[in-house]
Amino acid sequence: ILNVEQSPQSLHVQEGDSTNFTCSFPSSNFYALHWYRWETAKSPEALFVMTLNGDEKKKGRISATLNTKEGYSYLYIKGSQPEDSATYLCAGAYNTDKLIFGTGTRLQVFP
Amino acid sequence: EAQVTQNPRYLITVTGKKLTVTCSQNMNHEYMSWYRQDPGLGLRQIYYSMNVEVTDKGDVPEGYKVSRKEKRNFPLILESPSPNQTSLYFCASRGGAVHSPLHFGNGTRLTVT
Repeated sequence: ILNVEQSPQSLHVQEGDSTNFTCSFPSSNFYALHWYRWETAKSPEALFVMTLNGDEKKKGRISATLNTKEGYSYLYIKGSQPEDSATYLCAGAYNTDKLIFGTGTRLQVFP
Repeated sequence: EAQVTQNPRYLITVTGKKLTVTCSQNMNHEYMSWYRQDPGLGLRQIYYSMNVEVTDKGDVPEGYKVSRKEKRNFPLILESPSPNQTSLYFCASRGGAVHSPLHFGNGTRLTVT
């Protein structure tokens, strides 16, 4: 059974702090790694999709890296703001049809 | 505006009363999928469709049916809902292959009493 794990489960930081969290995934038969941002009462929105070992992607203050050989991805948020508060989901793709989602990291940023 | 539209947003029903949750996308995406979200668990795939008239089971298909008669629509059918199907449901679509991002609908919160 394929299992994608995220840590930590939840995180509380002060406004202005930088933070990062981890997505661990099985590296065999790997196709792609997705990151989504899910705000309360809204639907998940795509942040990044990465496929190649060593990939790095950036969108504003949020960036992500990918290591397909060891099976992990990091998501970084620089200078966290209250509007960054959300659950961040990662998902591994293992064939053309299936995404396996982690349980998410819930981030709360306090002013 | 490109979007995935799910209806209804909230639904309370009783055990055994058939219901349908609709999903429609206006992006001409070939791939559509249904997920359920339960506390402490990741999004779990119920059914997916790679194209019109092509549907396949995901990880938790029991108790659900789907159809894909048109490209834009992918309804989720619960023939005889049970309390263990109380959950938050998301429809999603994507264009292209698995490295394309999913576009999610707004979710349907279903309660079965």
